[in-house]
Amino acid sequence: GEDVEQSLFLSVREGDSSVINCTYTDSSSTYLYWYKQEPGAGLQLLTYIFSNMDMKQDQRLTVLLNKKDKHLSLRIADTQTGDSAIYFCAENGDTGRRALTFGSGTRLQVQP
Amino acid sequence: DVKVTQSSRYLVKRTGEKVFLECVQDMDHENMFWYRQDPGLGLRLIYFSYDVKMKEKGDIPEGYSVSREKKERFSLILESASTNQTSMYLCASSPPDSNTEAFFGQGTRLTVV
Repeated sequence: GEDVEQSLFLSVREGDSSVINCTYTDSSSTYLYWYKQEPGAGLQLLTYIFSNMDMKQDQRLTVLLNKKDKHLSLRIADTQTGDSAIYFCAENGDTGRRALTFGSGTRLQVQP
Repeated sequence: DVKVTQSSRYLVKRTGEKVFLECVQDMDHENMFWYRQDPGLGLRLIYFSYDVKMKEKGDIPEGYSVSREKKERFSLILESASTNQTSMYLCASSPPDSNTEAFFGQGTRLTVV
């Protein structure tokens, strides 16, 4: 079955860049997503990338996709304390289920 | 503003109780999902539904059932709650195109004692 893997924890200083990495196994994924979960809240879509793209930029966020290695990354420039949250990578490879497969989530801690 | 609403933020239930978790969406979405979230395990799909009265098992359906009598409402039922069902439960909905965004409720933290 599909598998999505992420490291569990990342700590950065305010103002630095954060890079959160994700690997996935399902090569049929057409979209890959990054969701953000703030404390005590549900998940919110942060950004997504279509599988035929290598890069997508949206203000402070840059998504890089290496389809050959099945590697996805999320870079947050000028990280702020408000960026502290859990970030989930997700893919939609199994379209029959219409459900996303999520990674374990990476907890980003931003030190002032 | 799109909305997925879960009926409770926090619940405490006793072992063996029948537990109902309710989820309502106001976006007229066909697809609805129940996930559970546990530290280090991410979100795991319990059940999903792509139409009224339709349901499909996800990856961890054991000990759970669901009900979708109306398009906007998807209920998760724990037939006989056990302590290993203590978790955060997240409901989500999405339109029929599987490539589009899923919208999540705020979550229900269930503790079974």
